[in-house]
Amino acid sequence: SQQGEEDPQALSIQEGENATMNCSYKTSINNLQWYRQNSGRGLVHLILIRSNEREKHSGRLRVTLDTSKKSSSLLITASRAADTASYFCAYLTGSARQLTFGSGTQLTVLP
Amino acid sequence: KAGVTQTPRYLIKTRGQQVTLSCSPISGHRSVSWYQQTPGQGLQFLFEYFSETQRNKGNFPGRFSGRQFSNSRSEMNVSTLELGDSALYLCASSLTLGAKDTQYFGPGTRLTVL
Repeated sequence: SQQGEEDPQALSIQEGENATMNCSYKTSINNLQWYRQNSGRGLVHLILIRSNEREKHSGRLRVTLDTSKKSSSLLITASRAADTASYFCAYLTGSARQLTFGSGTQLTVLP
Repeated sequence: KAGVTQTPRYLIKTRGQQVTLSCSPISGHRSVSWYQQTPGQGLQFLFEYFSETQRNKGNFPGRFSGRQFSNSRSEMNVSTLELGDSALYLCASSLTLGAKDTQYFGPGTRLTVL
């Protein structure tokens, strides 16, 4: 299945810094969701943004969506060592009953 | 509410065998999806069920099959296992998989094929 693309593939920052991850996709979407995965475990849902929304916040997370550019970004502010994980975007298209996942960003937050 | 549960969590099989994985969705959720995650291919969609009907299927061979029961619990089966089937299999549930619905994932079943 066609996957979305994420960049960067890997990101290493110091605790307290902000981390930004980007996701691009190729079709029209109904929603876009961001997930976190720790070391081969299950996916933890972070935030859902619908196609008619431009920005959403949840705690230290800020997600933006630009449907004209077919892209989304996830910003984690004041990062912590516990934020170290892989982050995936996933989007739902109108016709397909499935989430299509991006390739993921491996975030490492150094104490 | 209890989250999505998957059993077993770990499984070791040999080539040629078959395996059945189980998923219990969040109470009230009627849509259950299955994904395969491997280091090389990433997260790939297997199939989605809603009210016991398969609504969508990914590009996997017919050895991969699934079903959903009237209580929304779902099983997936892989027959004639191959080495390349070694992966983390993730189940996810949502209310209806509509535009407003979050899809919640279980912890996964780690399948190793020897």
